Amino acid sequence: ELKVEQNPLFLSMQEGKNYTIYCNYSTTSDRLYWYRQDPGKSLESLFVLLSNGAVKQEGRLMASLDTKARLSTLHITAAVHDLSATYFCAVVTTDSWGKLQFGAGTQVVVTP
Amino acid sequence: KAGVTQTPRYLIKTRGQQVTLSCSPISGHRSVSWYQQTPGQGLQFLFEYFSETQRNKGNFPGRFSGRQFSNSRSEMNVSTLELGDSALYLCASSQWSGGTYNEQFFGPGTRLTVL
Repeated sequence: ELKVEQNPLFLSMQEGKNYTIYCNYSTTSDRLYWYRQDPGKSLESLFVLLSNGAVKQEGRLMASLDTKARLSTLHITAAVHDLSATYFCAVVTTDSWGKLQFGAGTQVVVTP
Repeated sequence: KAGVTQTPRYLIKTRGQQVTLSCSPISGHRSVSWYQQTPGQGLQFLFEYFSETQRNKGNFPGRFSGRQFSNSRSEMNVSTLELGDSALYLCASSQWSGGTYNEQFFGPGTRLTVL
């Protein structure tokens, strides 16, 4: 069974500093997603990573994928308050395209 | 393009009742997946429908069922509600193209409270 682990589960960030969230998964996967969720809201798609070595950046967020290590990272540069949210990684496999297996989520709180 | 819509947004039921939730995917998306989100279990996959056929199913009891219509709209039904069914139910749609699914886009969710 595909398992997805995120760490840390909680991250208290200081504004202006850099941080990384890690996402490990247990079996071969074909793509990895990062989502953001604000309290009481739905999931907003951030990145889709399709292949080994993929790197995508949007603003202060950068995501990368190492399929050999079964590891994705979400790097936050110079954290700002607006980035406070819960971040989820999710993985799919070719035999279950429509089934996202989510990590537990990382709750991020950015303080001055 | 309109996003994924879910109705109702909030629902309060009592134990033993049944409930039906509705999801309208993005136009052109033929795949609809359902997820349950709770503080204790996180985000869990319920089932996925593609062209009116259930393609994948999660580990939920038979009280949870779903269907998809020819216009790709989907419904999920929970019978004999239990307190533990209180959750945010999210539906997501995606497009099949080039032999693979594209990313899943999520609706706003239905918040179900069982009393």
